[in-house]
Amino acid sequence: GESVGLHLPTLSVQEGDNSIINCAYSNSASDYFIWYKQESGKGPQFIIDIRSNMDKRQGQRVTVLLNKTVKHLSLQIAATQPGDSAVYFCAETPGSNYQLIWGAGTKLIIKP
Amino acid sequence: NAGVTQTPKFQVLKTGQSMTLQCAQDMNHEYMSWYRQDPGMGLRLIHYSVGAGITDQGEVPNGYNVSRSTTEDFPLRLLSAAPSQTSVYFCASSWDRRDQPQHFGDGTRLSIL
Repeated sequence: GESVGLHLPTLSVQEGDNSIINCAYSNSASDYFIWYKQESGKGPQFIIDIRSNMDKRQGQRVTVLLNKTVKHLSLQIAATQPGDSAVYFCAETPGSNYQLIWGAGTKLIIKP
Repeated sequence: NAGVTQTPKFQVLKTGQSMTLQCAQDMNHEYMSWYRQDPGMGLRLIHYSVGAGITDQGEVPNGYNVSRSTTEDFPLRLLSAAPSQTSVYFCASSWDRRDQPQHFGDGTRLSIL
Protein backbone atom coordinates (compact mmCIF):
# COMPACT_ATOMS: atom_id res chain seq x y z
CA GLY A 1 0.00 0.00 0.00
CA GLU A 2 1.00 3.60 -0.25
CA SER A 3 2.62 5.23 2.73
CA VAL A 4 4.44 8.28 3.90
CA GLY A 5 8.03 7.67 4.88
CA LEU A 6 10.99 9.55 6.24
CA HIS A 7 14.56 9.46 4.99
CA LEU A 8 16.28 9.63 8.40
CA PRO A 9 15.01 8.18 11.66
CA THR A 10 17.35 10.38 13.75
CA LEU A 11 18.80 13.81 13.05
CA SER A 12 21.42 15.41 15.27
CA VAL A 13 21.91 19.17 14.90
CA GLN A 14 24.04 21.74 16.64
CA GLU A 15 22.12 24.32 18.63
CA GLY A 16 21.72 27.44 16.54
CA ASP A 17 22.06 25.65 13.22
CA ASN A 18 19.20 25.05 10.81
CA SER A 19 17.50 21.67 10.75
CA ILE A 20 16.04 20.01 7.70
CA ILE A 21 13.74 17.04 8.14
CA ASN A 22 12.74 15.18 5.02
CA CYS A 23 9.69 13.17 4.08
CA ALA A 24 8.85 11.14 0.99
CA TYR A 25 5.33 10.31 -0.06
CA SER A 26 4.14 7.93 -2.73
CA ASN A 27 0.51 8.90 -3.39
CA SER A 28 0.39 11.45 -6.18
CA ALA A 29 -3.27 12.10 -5.33
CA SER A 30 -2.37 13.57 -1.95
CA ASP A 31 -3.39 17.20 -1.80
CA TYR A 32 -2.67 18.15 1.78
CA PHE A 33 0.41 17.68 3.94
CA ILE A 34 1.03 18.45 7.57
CA TRP A 35 3.88 18.38 10.05
CA TYR A 36 3.45 17.53 13.70
CA LYS A 37 5.91 17.73 16.57
CA GLN A 38 5.72 15.24 19.40
CA GLU A 39 7.61 15.84 22.61
CA SER A 40 8.30 13.01 25.00
CA GLY A 41 5.15 11.97 26.85
CA LYS A 42 2.93 14.33 24.89
CA GLY A 43 0.53 14.12 22.01
CA PRO A 44 1.39 15.40 18.52
CA GLN A 45 1.31 19.17 18.17
CA PHE A 46 0.63 20.94 14.88
CA ILE A 47 3.56 22.82 13.35
CA ILE A 48 2.69 23.77 9.81
CA ASP A 49 0.76 22.51 6.81
CA ILE A 50 0.71 22.97 3.07
CA ARG A 51 -1.67 22.24 0.25
CA SER A 52 -0.62 20.75 -3.05
CA ASN A 53 -1.22 24.01 -4.93
CA MET A 54 1.70 25.55 -3.04
CA ASP A 55 5.46 24.89 -3.12
CA LYS A 56 6.44 26.68 0.05
CA ARG A 57 4.90 27.93 3.21
CA GLN A 58 6.53 29.76 6.09
CA GLY A 59 5.69 30.00 9.72
CA GLN A 60 7.55 31.23 12.75
CA ARG A 61 11.06 29.76 12.37
CA VAL A 62 9.67 26.93 10.25
CA THR A 63 9.30 26.48 6.52
CA VAL A 64 7.72 23.61 4.65
CA LEU A 65 8.75 22.86 1.09
CA LEU A 66 6.76 20.64 -1.25
CA ASN A 67 8.22 19.15 -4.41
CA LYS A 68 5.41 17.34 -6.18
CA THR A 69 7.65 16.25 -9.04
CA VAL A 70 9.65 13.93 -6.80
CA LYS A 71 6.97 13.56 -4.12
CA HIS A 72 9.12 15.08 -1.43
CA LEU A 73 8.29 17.20 1.58
CA SER A 74 10.70 18.91 3.94
CA LEU A 75 10.50 20.83 7.18
CA GLN A 76 13.12 23.45 7.83
CA ILE A 77 13.63 24.79 11.33
CA ALA A 78 15.75 27.93 11.58
CA ALA A 79 18.17 28.52 14.46
CA THR A 80 17.38 25.24 16.18
CA GLN A 81 16.82 25.51 19.92
CA PRO A 82 16.86 22.90 22.71
CA GLY A 83 13.07 23.13 22.82
CA ASP A 84 12.95 21.80 19.28
CA SER A 85 14.05 18.37 20.49
CA ALA A 86 11.20 16.05 19.60
CA VAL A 87 9.99 13.52 17.08
CA TYR A 88 8.66 15.12 13.92
CA PHE A 89 5.98 13.47 11.83
CA CYS A 90 4.78 14.26 8.37
CA ALA A 91 1.33 13.15 7.29
CA GLU A 92 -0.75 13.37 4.15
CA THR A 93 -4.35 13.10 3.08
CA PRO A 94 -4.71 11.31 -0.24
CA GLY A 95 -7.43 12.98 -2.30
CA SER A 96 -11.03 12.63 -1.18
CA ASN A 97 -10.13 10.43 1.78
CA TYR A 98 -9.56 12.86 4.61
CA GLN A 99 -7.86 10.35 6.85
CA LEU A 100 -4.26 11.22 7.60
CA ILE A 101 -1.54 8.78 6.63
CA TRP A 102 1.41 9.23 8.96
CA GLY A 103 5.09 8.70 8.44
CA ALA A 104 7.20 6.86 11.00
CA GLY A 105 8.78 10.01 12.44
CA THR A 106 12.23 11.58 12.71
CA LYS A 107 13.82 12.19 16.08
CA LEU A 108 15.57 15.56 16.24
CA ILE A 109 18.43 15.77 18.74
CA ILE A 110 19.96 19.14 19.59
CA LYS A 111 23.64 19.18 20.50
CA PRO A 112 24.74 21.96 22.86
CA ASN B 1 -9.43 25.60 28.00
CA ALA B 2 -8.50 21.95 28.62
CA GLY B 3 -8.61 20.85 24.96
CA VAL B 4 -8.54 17.05 24.62
CA THR B 5 -8.32 15.11 27.87
CA GLN B 6 -7.47 11.43 28.02
CA THR B 7 -7.71 9.16 31.03
CA PRO B 8 -6.00 7.18 32.37
CA LYS B 9 -2.43 8.15 31.43
CA PHE B 10 -1.09 4.68 32.16
CA GLN B 11 -2.69 1.26 32.49
CA VAL B 12 -1.54 -2.32 32.78
CA LEU B 13 -3.97 -5.09 31.91
CA LYS B 14 -3.88 -8.84 31.82
CA THR B 15 -4.75 -10.68 28.63
CA GLY B 16 -8.50 -11.08 28.35
CA GLN B 17 -9.42 -8.15 30.57
CA SER B 18 -11.66 -5.40 29.29
CA MET B 19 -11.12 -1.69 29.61
CA THR B 20 -12.42 1.66 28.44
CA LEU B 21 -10.09 4.50 27.52
CA GLN B 22 -11.74 7.84 28.06
CA CYS B 23 -11.49 10.88 25.81
CA ALA B 24 -13.23 14.20 26.30
CA GLN B 25 -12.94 17.51 24.46
CA ASP B 26 -14.33 20.89 25.41
CA MET B 27 -14.02 22.62 22.03
CA ASN B 28 -17.41 21.51 20.67
CA HIS B 29 -15.66 19.63 17.88
CA GLU B 30 -17.77 17.33 15.77
CA TYR B 31 -14.94 15.08 14.59
CA MET B 32 -13.14 12.81 17.02
CA SER B 33 -10.75 9.97 16.39
CA TRP B 34 -8.62 7.34 18.08
CA TYR B 35 -5.10 6.40 16.99
CA ARG B 36 -2.56 3.94 18.21
CA GLN B 37 1.16 4.62 18.11
CA ASP B 38 3.64 1.78 18.08
CA PRO B 39 7.45 2.10 18.23
CA GLY B 40 9.01 3.09 14.93
CA MET B 41 5.65 3.65 13.29
CA GLY B 42 3.39 6.54 12.61
CA LEU B 43 -0.05 6.89 14.12
CA ARG B 44 -2.69 4.53 12.79
CA LEU B 45 -6.37 5.34 12.84
CA ILE B 46 -8.53 2.93 14.84
CA HIS B 47 -12.01 4.47 14.79
CA TYR B 48 -13.47 7.88 14.20
CA SER B 49 -16.71 9.78 14.63
CA VAL B 50 -18.07 12.67 12.59
CA GLY B 51 -20.67 13.56 15.21
CA ALA B 52 -22.77 12.27 18.06
CA GLY B 53 -24.31 8.91 17.19
CA ILE B 54 -22.04 8.33 14.17
CA THR B 55 -18.90 6.21 14.23
CA ASP B 56 -16.85 4.43 11.60
CA GLN B 57 -13.82 2.21 11.31
CA GLY B 58 -10.35 3.37 10.52
CA GLU B 59 -7.29 1.45 9.42
CA VAL B 60 -6.93 -0.91 12.41
CA PRO B 61 -10.38 -1.35 14.08
CA ASN B 62 -10.22 -5.01 15.08
CA GLY B 63 -10.41 -5.59 18.82
CA TYR B 64 -11.79 -2.13 19.58
CA ASN B 65 -15.26 -0.66 19.95
CA VAL B 66 -16.36 2.95 20.16
CA SER B 67 -19.54 4.91 20.76
CA ARG B 68 -20.38 8.61 20.62
CA SER B 69 -23.39 9.46 22.73
CA THR B 70 -22.37 13.10 23.22
CA THR B 71 -20.31 15.63 21.29
CA GLU B 72 -17.80 15.86 24.12
CA ASP B 73 -16.97 12.21 24.78
CA PHE B 74 -15.57 9.42 22.63
CA PRO B 75 -14.58 6.36 24.67
CA LEU B 76 -12.55 3.48 23.23
CA ARG B 77 -13.29 -0.01 24.53
CA LEU B 78 -11.10 -3.06 24.51
CA LEU B 79 -13.42 -6.00 25.08
CA SER B 80 -10.76 -8.68 25.53
CA ALA B 81 -7.26 -7.25 25.72
CA ALA B 82 -4.45 -8.95 23.81
CA PRO B 83 -0.67 -8.36 24.05
CA SER B 84 -0.77 -7.02 20.47
CA GLN B 85 -2.81 -4.11 21.77
CA THR B 86 0.08 -2.88 23.90
CA SER B 87 0.57 0.62 22.55
CA VAL B 88 0.15 4.31 23.18
CA TYR B 89 -3.34 5.50 22.34
CA PHE B 90 -4.14 9.03 21.24
CA CYS B 91 -7.48 10.72 20.92
CA ALA B 92 -7.87 13.73 18.64
CA SER B 93 -10.60 16.16 17.65
CA SER B 94 -11.32 18.82 15.05
CA TRP B 95 -14.28 20.78 13.74
CA ASP B 96 -15.06 18.27 11.02
CA ARG B 97 -13.47 15.42 9.13
CA ARG B 98 -11.75 17.72 6.67
CA ASP B 99 -10.55 20.18 9.28
CA GLN B 100 -6.88 20.19 10.10
CA PRO B 101 -5.01 20.30 12.27
CA GLN B 102 -6.49 17.93 14.74
CA HIS B 103 -5.99 18.57 18.45
CA PHE B 104 -4.47 15.66 20.31
CA GLY B 105 -4.61 14.51 23.88
CA ASP B 106 -1.46 13.44 25.69
CA GLY B 107 -2.14 9.75 25.27
CA THR B 108 -2.81 6.61 27.29
CA ARG B 109 0.08 4.19 27.64
CA LEU B 110 -1.40 0.72 27.73
CA SER B 111 0.47 -2.51 28.47
CA ILE B 112 -1.14 -5.91 28.10
CA LEU B 113 0.59 -8.73 29.94
